[in-house]
Amino acid sequence: DQQVKQNSPSLSVQEGRISILNCDYTNSMFDYFLWYKKYPAEGPTFLISISSIKDKNEDGRFTVFLNKSAKHLSLHIVPSQPGDSAVYFCAAKDNQGGKLIFGQGTELSVKP
Amino acid sequence: EPEVTQTPSHQVTQMGQEVILRCVPISNHLYFYWYRQILGQKVEFLVSFYNNEISEKSEIFDDQFSVERPDGSNFTLKIRSTKLEDSAMYFCASSLLGQGLNEQYFGPGTRLTVT
Repeated sequence: DQQVKQNSPSLSVQEGRISILNCDYTNSMFDYFLWYKKYPAEGPTFLISISSIKDKNEDGRFTVFLNKSAKHLSLHIVPSQPGDSAVYFCAAKDNQGGKLIFGQGTELSVKP
Repeated sequence: EPEVTQTPSHQVTQMGQEVILRCVPISNHLYFYWYRQILGQKVEFLVSFYNNEISEKSEIFDDQFSVERPDGSNFTLKIRSTKLEDSAMYFCASSLLGQGLNEQYFGPGTRLTVT
C-alpha cells in the first residue's frame, strides 16, 4: 500500500546549487503534507509543511510546492549546503485519524 | 526548545522477552504516537493515543503490543513477547492537536534488537 512514494532513493548535488526532492501520493483526500529530515541515529526532524489549500510554502532556503492535480509535491532547497546532507521524508497526514503516512525517503548528499 | 525524549537509545533482548520502550512527549502536547522503521524500510505508523485511550492502531499493532501513559509525562510502548521481526527503530512522536494542520515532533528513537 504505497500511498506516498518517493521514487528517487538518492540525490547528489553540488554545494550552492538547488536540490529538488520529489514526492507523489495517490489519495486525493490528503490535505496536509510534511517534509522531515533525518540524520543517522536520530529521529525525523520536522522541516516544512503545506496545506492542500496552498500551492507553495516557503521558509528560508526551503520551499515546498504542491500540485494537487498531479498529486505531486516537491521540496526545493536553495542554496544547498553540506549540512543539508540527510535523508528527507515526505509524509501525508491522514485526515481521518491524524497518522502520518511516509514515503520511502530520499538520501540527499551535498558535495562541497 | 522542547523536545521528545526516548529511553533507552538501544535495547537488546532475546526472543520471547518483554520490552518496554519509554517516551516523554512535549509537555503541552495532547496526542501521542508510536512509529517504527525496520532497517531499509519506510517509517510505519503503529498507534496513536489521546485522552488515555488508543485513537487508532495499525495492523502491525496486534495483541502483543500495548501502550500506556502511566503518569502525566511518560508514554510507553510494551511488546509482550518479542519476535525477531520486531527488530527496528521505534520512534515516539507527539503533537498539540490530532487532526488539522499541525505537525508531529519525533524523538530520537530506540533501536530494538531481538536476538
